[in-house]
Amino acid sequence: DAKTTQPPSMDCAEGRAANLPCNHSTISGNEYVYWYRQIHSQGPQYIIHGLKNNETNEMASLIITEDRKSSTLILPHATLRDTAVYYCIVRDQAGTALIFGKGTTLSVSS
Amino acid sequence: KAGVTQTPRYLIKTRGQQVTLSCSPISGHRSVSWYQQTPGQGLQFLFEYFSETQRNKGNFPGRFSGRQFSNSRSEMNVSTLELGDSALYLCASSSVGRGAGETQYFGPGTRLLVL
Repeated sequence: DAKTTQPPSMDCAEGRAANLPCNHSTISGNEYVYWYRQIHSQGPQYIIHGLKNNETNEMASLIITEDRKSSTLILPHATLRDTAVYYCIVRDQAGTALIFGKGTTLSVSS
Repeated sequence: KAGVTQTPRYLIKTRGQQVTLSCSPISGHRSVSWYQQTPGQGLQFLFEYFSETQRNKGNFPGRFSGRQFSNSRSEMNVSTLELGDSALYLCASSSVGRGAGETQYFGPGTRLLVL
């Protein structure tokens, strides 16, 4: 079973920041938080991952709380092309399988 | 660097037939994982291959099998197809499949329809 909880859906206005929350209260010390997104019927796209520090790349920022029980993916300026299902996944170093939950459907509108 | 490629992209089969799907990983990647995505069950892990050996397996019946070649390309096979096998089959590759911050990159998938 997935070790994360995400809201089923969120809306965001184009140009605004999209903040997608994820709860992972049972995360252990060696487990990473990964974010992927899937645009309709395409393969999941890797976005970002982190262990305990906040991370930023050209696509997004990942904010992990100090106790690591939750995190937030931030898309700073959402566009219509960011409309997708976003998956938050907890994965340990030894594991190979990604365990996907139902994710959050983000709808960006103009 | 080219991404993960999967062939064919679309496939129609009938019940009882078998099917083989192919995946070419990113150059230099040695781990290939397969996933099945259906509307009812979501994205589920099938198996992972590394250095031509199956290293991890999900909870799927024996009709689902795979293999990996010396060049890291992988195939998966589904025998005696059932209607419920209609799905998007996704392949993902990574350098070694496990370790600190190892990332899997997905291909576009093969959409299989079983009639």
